[in-house]
Amino acid sequence: QKEVEQNSGPLSVPEGAIASLNCTYSDRVSQSFFWYRQYSGKSPELIMSIYSNGDKEDGRFTAQLNKASQYVSLLIRDSQPSDSATYLCAVTKAAGNKLTFGGGTRVLVKP
Amino acid sequence: DAGVTQSPTHLIKTRGQHVTLRCSPISGHKSVSWYQQVLGQGPQFIFQYYEKEERGRGNFPDRFSARQFPNYSSELNVNALLLGDSALYLCASSLVPETTTDTQYFGPGTRLTVL
Repeated sequence: QKEVEQNSGPLSVPEGAIASLNCTYSDRVSQSFFWYRQYSGKSPELIMSIYSNGDKEDGRFTAQLNKASQYVSLLIRDSQPSDSATYLCAVTKAAGNKLTFGGGTRVLVKP
Repeated sequence: DAGVTQSPTHLIKTRGQHVTLRCSPISGHKSVSWYQQVLGQGPQFIFQYYEKEERGRGNFPDRFSARQFPNYSSELNVNALLLGDSALYLCASSLVPETTTDTQYFGPGTRLTVL
């Protein structure tokens, strides 16, 4: 079992719709959770971080964390073609520890 | 403010050669981490340095080594290159890796191709 798992996609979403991405992790001691966006050929760019159970909103993005069920999700509202990218879920087990990444979910937003 | 910088951008080497990759963190950040990203996969942790000391090492062979300098910049060295070392090498910097909210920011990466 991988430490962090994501559906590889592609997740095809019409422009203006909501894209819903899920991530599960295996280690219950995981403390910090991050979503990075990576365009093809580019490096990961941080879009959200979440540390406690519940929802966290930032613009069109909402991260949701459920530690009891060991999953973290990302919602992208009003999806735009520029949101087409691979979204990487990453977790850390301790303060300032290494990031453990999932394989990423490719999102395609169609005009 | 400048973000994380890495050099070179691209590199082509042949099997058996040695390579040195360089990284400068965001101003004020004292920690640098290195990751390897093979095409189609998520990044894999290689090393973390903080205040010039190694804080963590991933599951990579001894051919991989790194160091951090007094100005907090860092080098990643790979000896005896193999075809499988072809990847995007990412450097990430963070402020102080001793807080739960410490966040890593990535540089543009170095694309290494081993022929």
